[in-house]
Amino acid sequence: GNSVTQMEGPVTLSEEAFLTINCTYTATGYPSLFWYVQYPGEGLQLLLKATKADDKGSNKGFEATYRKETTSFHLEKGSVQVSDSAVYFCALIGGFKTIFGAGTRLFVKA
Amino acid sequence: GAGVSQSPSNKVTEKGKDVELRCDPISGHTALYWYRQRLGQGLEFLIYFQGNSAPDKSGLPSDRFSAERTGESVSTLTIQRTQQEDSAVYLCASNPTPGLAGDTDTQYFGPGTRLTVL
Repeated sequence: GNSVTQMEGPVTLSEEAFLTINCTYTATGYPSLFWYVQYPGEGLQLLLKATKADDKGSNKGFEATYRKETTSFHLEKGSVQVSDSAVYFCALIGGFKTIFGAGTRLFVKA
Repeated sequence: GAGVSQSPSNKVTEKGKDVELRCDPISGHTALYWYRQRLGQGLEFLIYFQGNSAPDKSGLPSDRFSAERTGESVSTLTIQRTQQEDSAVYLCASNPTPGLAGDTDTQYFGPGTRLTVL
């Protein structure tokens, strides 16, 4: 069946550091891929998405590229800020059902 | 309404009592999901409704959990004989008919109901 695996957290970085959160998936067909973010005390919201191979989703300085050959959708940001501290969830939709990864908590220190 | 709404926002109950949680999806959204999120953990899928199709109940942890949805409107999640391990935030999400072109596969989450079982 479909599944999503993302790196375990927490991830702790200093402000302006480079961020990578790994996400790999298993799916039949060609799923759409997503990153959702959950800021402290708030609900989940869509961060970015990509719907086909080699597409790059981007938002708020974050980027992720849909890599079909490695079945990956790693989240990156060149320079993190304290305000990026949150839990990040990788997800896919395939067969009309969204599957979420376990989430990766990011702490950014000033 | 403008977004997914859930009620109550907080619920404190005693062990053994039944609770009912409500979700109002965005109007026109045919798909509706319930998730559970324990403190500091990820999303645990509970149940999925898609239009008038039979729901996918594969994530319900026990027969104490049940959910209903009438058509494409409100859904209620019922937990009978609550246990302390049921304490969590229960999240509802909806999205338009999946599989179609456009932004129809993005999930829109409600603020959640925080359930505390004493």
